[in-house]
Amino acid sequence: SQTIHQWPATLVQPVGSPLSLECTVEGTSNPNLYWYRQAAGRGLQLLFYSVGIGQISSEVPQNLSASRPQDRQFILSSKKLLLSDSGFYLCAWSRQGGFSYTFGSGTRLTVV
Amino acid sequence: RKEVEQDPGPFNVPEGATVAFNCTYSNSASQSFFWYRQDCRKEPKLLMSVYSSGNEDGRFTAQLNRASQYISLLIRDSKLSDSATYLCVGNAGNMLTFGGGTRLMVKP
Repeated sequence: SQTIHQWPATLVQPVGSPLSLECTVEGTSNPNLYWYRQAAGRGLQLLFYSVGIGQISSEVPQNLSASRPQDRQFILSSKKLLLSDSGFYLCAWSRQGGFSYTFGSGTRLTVV
Repeated sequence: RKEVEQDPGPFNVPEGATVAFNCTYSNSASQSFFWYRQDCRKEPKLLMSVYSSGNEDGRFTAQLNRASQYISLLIRDSKLSDSATYLCVGNAGNMLTFGGGTRLMVKP
């Protein structure tokens, strides 16, 4: 069976510090991978998606970046965090072709 | 206009009540639809897919109306544990588009 792992679960970081969130998927190959952010009480905002190694598409301009160094690994990064980067970050995977997404358990980031 | 729109609620209902949520989608080319459930401070989880013929899973029934471009979710005999936010989802090509969610609160 397929599983998705995301860590850390919670993170408190000062403004201006770097960020690295990691997501890995097991039990499947060539998944589509996604990073979402959810602000408190708000909907899901798609940040990045990837259909293959090294292929990253960005949905919104921001100071975040994403990388996919391996088939089942997706990393969200920032060089300098802003207060507005606080939120609930969710990684998800899906098979190719409009199938449902499965989400990781999320990282709750607070920038102080 | 948002691609998938939902009434944010909250819907406050007593235990045992029947409650229905609707959502509308703007992309007439969408083929895949889903309902997700999200508990407070947790990740969204797939509740059920939505098929053209309608489908039922226990107390939950999902319907798709392509002519009017709306999707519905009916919950019968509401339980306290049904309290959550329900997300309506449609595809746009290979991507899924999530609605903002409808919050349900089931009271004793």
